Amino acid sequence: DAMVIQNPRYQVTQFGKPVTLSCSQTLNHNVMYWYQQKSSQAPKLLFHYYDKDFNNEADTPDNFQSRRPNTSFCFLDIRSPGLGDAAMYLCATSRVEGAPGQPQHFGDGTRLSIL
Amino acid sequence: KNEVEQSPQNLTAQEGEFITINCSYSVGISALHWLQQHPGGGIVSLFMLSSGKKKHGRLIATINIQEKHSSLHITASHPRDSAVYICAVEKGGSEKLVFGKGTKLTVNP
Repeated sequence: DAMVIQNPRYQVTQFGKPVTLSCSQTLNHNVMYWYQQKSSQAPKLLFHYYDKDFNNEADTPDNFQSRRPNTSFCFLDIRSPGLGDAAMYLCATSRVEGAPGQPQHFGDGTRLSIL
Repeated sequence: KNEVEQSPQNLTAQEGEFITINCSYSVGISALHWLQQHPGGGIVSLFMLSSGKKKHGRLIATINIQEKHSSLHITASHPRDSAVYICAVEKGGSEKLVFGKGTKLTVNP
């Protein structure tokens, strides 16, 4: 089945130690999103790629970076994780072709813990 | 004030009850999404609406564009429906989603 896969499901890292989360998709969608979701809160968009075009949200900390080497893969890099970065990180994809109302397909998320 | 407001925040029901979750928004939209999130994280897209009504199994979603309001209904609720239900809108001109805070539904056997 076509899907969005996030690895790993659970990630533990040390305070200040760089960490990379990965997302892959078999849907051939042109848009990929990274969200941060803290406990009992709505997902917060960090950035998204429209094909190769990177779009950063204004309030996304500089500590967060992203790479999309090809259509299928997208990575979230946290350069120096702080305790406040512990959260669920969700990847989503959609096919945007100029018309509104395209569903977003979400992965199962990576839960990041900071020691 | 949030651009997307959901009510109630928490909802507890007995198995078999009819459930309604409401969503109001204050911006112009091109589409509204209803999403389901189970404990453990993964989000599933239930509906995407720009007008009228959609039905899938026991789930029904309606939207009133003039009143800027949408409802999600669950008929004959079941414990496996227990989840957080999230309303999200695409603001006009953008494919990005603006999320409500979610409604946590618990259905007891």
